[in-house]
Amino acid sequence: QSALTQPASVSGSPGQSITISCTGTITDVGRYNYVSWYQQHPGKAPKLLIYDVYNRPSGVSTRFSGSKSGNTASLTISGLQAEDEADYYCSSYTGTTNFEVFGPGTKVTVL
Amino acid sequence: QVQLQESGPGLVKPSETLSLTCSVSGYSISSGYYWGWIRQSPVTGLEWIGSVYRSGSAYYSPSLRSRVTISVDTSKNQFSLTVNSVTAADTAVYYCARPTRAASVAMAFDNWGQGALVTVSS
Repeated sequence: QSALTQPASVSGSPGQSITISCTGTITDVGRYNYVSWYQQHPGKAPKLLIYDVYNRPSGVSTRFSGSKSGNTASLTISGLQAEDEADYYCSSYTGTTNFEVFGPGTKVTVL
Repeated sequence: QVQLQESGPGLVKPSETLSLTCSVSGYSISSGYYWGWIRQSPVTGLEWIGSVYRSGSAYYSPSLRSRVTISVDTSKNQFSLTVNSVTAADTAVYYCARPTRAASVAMAFDNWGQGALVTVSS
């Protein structure tokens, strides 16, 4: 049972922008600027897209951007492409007991 | 380019011990970083299990701490996971991974193995 909540699914047409939310509490998302986002295609390992709320690792497309307001973090995908169809997971640091928790995931469908 | 590869039995009987090894190439474990295990099942989703440092110092998820041990073998550039007294709830894809920052115990994993499916069944 995840401590973070995400919508089960989000869809959009090619070229559109979509936003996925990740809601936590004051003990995780609200307290730390250590939110990450992962993309996972079927049968593959998760790929880090965003870390520390809005930082992109080298090689990740600028179409992916992150933000945070209060206890909710968001991932925006701009210029949606067919290859963006995947599952997306958020995660947050929660301190030195549980360390990292993951959201339940959001399935993105490109219409 | 860091590469990680999980290996171990794909089938474990209930009440027995699950053991997996992660072989690292392209980077020496002795040079630093924490090295972690994460599992994924349709029931529990992604779950951090624990992480180990080159010294052998390890951190574990509180929910699994009583059954889990993570160790490191710097001479073989490998680290390992054991889970005792497994049940069907431990059936999952197990990943080894490394965080993006050397000082992070378990945060922002940017290097992952391909994953190893472990099924607990008699």
